[in-house]
Parts: sequence; structure tokens; C-alpha cells
Amino acid sequence: NAGVTQTPKFRILKIGQSMTLQCTQDMNHNYMYWYRQDPGMGLKLIYYSVGAGITDKGEVPNGYNVSRSTTEDFPLRLELAAPSQTSVYFCATWTGGGYGYTFGSGTRLTVV
Amino acid sequence: AQTVTQSQPEMSVQEAETVTLSCTYDTSENNYYLFWYKQPPSRQMILVIRQEAYKQQNATENRFSVNFQKAAKSFSLKISDSQLGDTAMYFCASARGNKLVFGAGTILRVKS
Repeated sequence: NAGVTQTPKFRILKIGQSMTLQCTQDMNHNYMYWYRQDPGMGLKLIYYSVGAGITDKGEVPNGYNVSRSTTEDFPLRLELAAPSQTSVYFCATWTGGGYGYTFGSGTRLTVV
Repeated sequence: AQTVTQSQPEMSVQEAETVTLSCTYDTSENNYYLFWYKQPPSRQMILVIRQEAYKQQNATENRFSVNFQKAAKSFSLKISDSQLGDTAMYFCASARGNKLVFGAGTILRVKS
């Protein structure tokens, strides 16, 4: 039982490049989320999804896009990477029963 | 907007001693959940303890306990008999529907 799997774990991008952060879960959870973690800022919600085909913006969506074609997958797309997108990115699912989130292991992204 | 405030950016404690991490939150909901997550250097997010707002009794999990003051909207974490493995970033979070709002985090260092 893998839980929430994020790939890659680390990535260095050049300014203007694009990439997709992958997130896959095997728990059949409907709710999925993308957060970014910046030093001293906690975790900020980028996008979330309540089920396949349904996505919505969070607190800091600019510069990102998402899709949710299946229950299992929730990829995060960065177009035209900027240094301000240097961060650690977490994917998570809603565990239910008041137990909060199940997190992936995170992706450390550096834009140079 | 819902907010979570952790006023202590960094804390340190001697091994075997007790430390308390502070958290205040703002919510307009009557029933909600509160959480403390631990993030060790491995970057993994680990649920430490959770509290249901309608329960008067403070939650405990082994050496971890909370002091939940609903009227004051305060949710502090007490770690007893601190161990070197408790060294980590600790995040307080409140649930708004099926989304979590996080504080900025407190770095805890346990010294031998």
C-alpha cells in the first residue's frame, strides 16, 4: 500500500522551462491537494480537487495548472518556471474521519 | 479568511524535559478539527495529534498532549520527556471543511 506517491523528489529547472509534478494515490480518496512550503510561511494551498474532473484554485494558484482525469492522479503543471516557484511541493489526500491529510513525500524544486 | 498563528519560530529544549508549542487560530465554524503535524529533516509530514472541537477533553498520544481552549481559540502542544528524535518542524493546522490551513511552523531542537 503506497499511499500518496510524488515524483520526482528533486528537480532543478531553468527559468522559462516547464515541468509536471506527478502525484498518485491508491487509497481511492476523492479529495486531493497541492501545497507549496516556503521557509517561515507554512504550507499554502495551490489547487485542490474534490473528485475526477473537478478542480479549484487555492490561495496561490498563479503560475500553476492542474488536471484530474482519474481518482488516482492529480498532476501539477508549472508553465514558464520562475525563481519565485522555488519551493517544496506537497501533494495530499483527505483521509476522512477527522484524520486530516495523508501526505506525499514532497518534491524540492529549484528554479535557476 | 481562516488563519492559524504560531508565534514561536524556534524553540529548544533539553532532552527529557517538557516543552510547549503555541498555536492560535481563527474560525467561524462551530465544529472543526485541529491538528499538529511533525516534519523531521526527512521532509515527511507526520500527524502527531488531533483534536475534535466539540470534545472538551484534551487529546493525548503517548508523550504528546494538547491544551485546547476553545473560547480562546488556542491549541498548544506539550511534549513530555523530549527525545532527540523529536527535533523537527511542527505545524499547527485547522480544518476548514475538507481543507487544512497551516501555521508558519515552529522549529524544535532537542539538545542532549
